[in-house]
Amino acid sequence: AQSVSQHNHHVILSEAASLELGCNYSYGGTVNLFWYVQYPGQHLQLLLKYFSGDPLVKGIKGFEAEFIKSKFSFNLRKPSVQWSDTAEYFCAVGANFGNEKLTFGTGTRLTIIP
Amino acid sequence: DAGVIQSPRHEVTEMGQEVTLRCKPISGHDYLFWYRQTMMRGLELLIYFNNNVPIDDSGMPEDRFSAKMPNASFSTLKIQPSEPRDSAVYFCASSNLAGRHTDTQYFGPGTRLTVL
Repeated sequence: AQSVSQHNHHVILSEAASLELGCNYSYGGTVNLFWYVQYPGQHLQLLLKYFSGDPLVKGIKGFEAEFIKSKFSFNLRKPSVQWSDTAEYFCAVGANFGNEKLTFGTGTRLTIIP
Repeated sequence: DAGVIQSPRHEVTEMGQEVTLRCKPISGHDYLFWYRQTMMRGLELLIYFNNNVPIDDSGMPEDRFSAKMPNASFSTLKIQPSEPRDSAVYFCASSNLAGRHTDTQYFGPGTRLTVL
């Protein structure tokens, strides 16, 4: 079974700071990887996803993530955050074969100080 | 498309009462997922359906929980009897995997359940 670890539970940054949120997964096979965002009071929305190919994936709102297979990691980055990026961020992993479930991490709450 | 629709958005009930949560997936999507989100446990998958058939209900916490999908455009999650520890936000999500094993899930706005 797959599992996902997000080590940062709450991150506080000032506007214009650079962001990196960690995500590590555990799974023996080929995976599909996702980052979702949940703005306050809203539902989860997809930020970006990786299936294959270029391990550097670009998503919406200036976010990107890099898949490093040797480290089982899929960290989310943004060079300069804005107040509107305040939200909770979830990493998720799905098997490329076998079942259709996504396993979500516990989330990282990001607070941006103006 | 209107996206995934859930109702009600908020539900407050008393312990012991029956609660029914409703979900309408995105038209054409063949997978439907029910999740529960709490501060303590994060986002948990309860059950999912493919073409209206339950595939995996291993996340359903106990027999008080049941879910049905009578047709492609409607699903319910029922809790009977409800308990205070069931208080959470319940999300429905749908997906069109089109041959993939996992792909983007589109989430509804959630139902915030409070059991007093």
